Amino acid sequence: DIVMTQTPLSLSVTPGQPASISCKSSQSLLHSDGKTYLYWYLQKPGQPPQLLIYEVSNRFSGVPDRFSGSGSGTDFTLKISRVEAEDVGVYYCMQSIQLPPAFGPGTKVDIK
Amino acid sequence: EVQLVQSGAEVKKPGESLKISCKGSGYSFTSYWIGWVRQMPGKGLEWMGIIYPGDSDTRYSPSFQGQVTISADKSISTAYLQWSSLKASDTAMYYCARLRLRYLDYWGQGTLVTVSS
Repeated sequence: DIVMTQTPLSLSVTPGQPASISCKSSQSLLHSDGKTYLYWYLQKPGQPPQLLIYEVSNRFSGVPDRFSGSGSGTDFTLKISRVEAEDVGVYYCMQSIQLPPAFGPGTKVDIK
Repeated sequence: EVQLVQSGAEVKKPGESLKISCKGSGYSFTSYWIGWVRQMPGKGLEWMGIIYPGDSDTRYSPSFQGQVTISADKSISTAYLQWSSLKASDTAMYYCARLRLRYLDYWGQGTLVTVSS
């Protein structure tokens, strides 16, 4: 099974400052179809997870452009260019190149 | 607008059975897989399994195979997650979500299941 790891596991950010979360997989997420099956979700307090980024770097509908994803193979990064108060919550990466899909442990982001 | 609306919170005793639901609207329910995800208190997300309502093809994560049953009634655009004999360790929030290609794009609001004697 593919194991997903995230660093850091918690992050405290000053509003307006950037933030970055790393996600690593134990195997490459690049499929033979050319797609890389890595996604990012945000779970705000008391809410279900919401999709932010699909296939490494594509923002889902309605996601602000301050969120961006990058990476390849086994190493991926989610960046928030300027953190806002509404960005607090737990960020999860997820792989689905292999079934069952697996989520990372989550990175808790709060505001200083 | 795509919506998945889940049934309400449940409080059950160990050994009891339970079936929770997830009703889809705003899209062709039979054309997308529905996934179920568990979140135990204070913990992360775990993929349980998926079902294709069009033909009820179902796939389970190995950790949940034999522990739960996923089903669907396409005539009422509803997917289900059920247990025949609950354990205290089944206490968790359960989410359904629509599977698009290989990711979950729209999620239900969650159903909290509490199992306690």
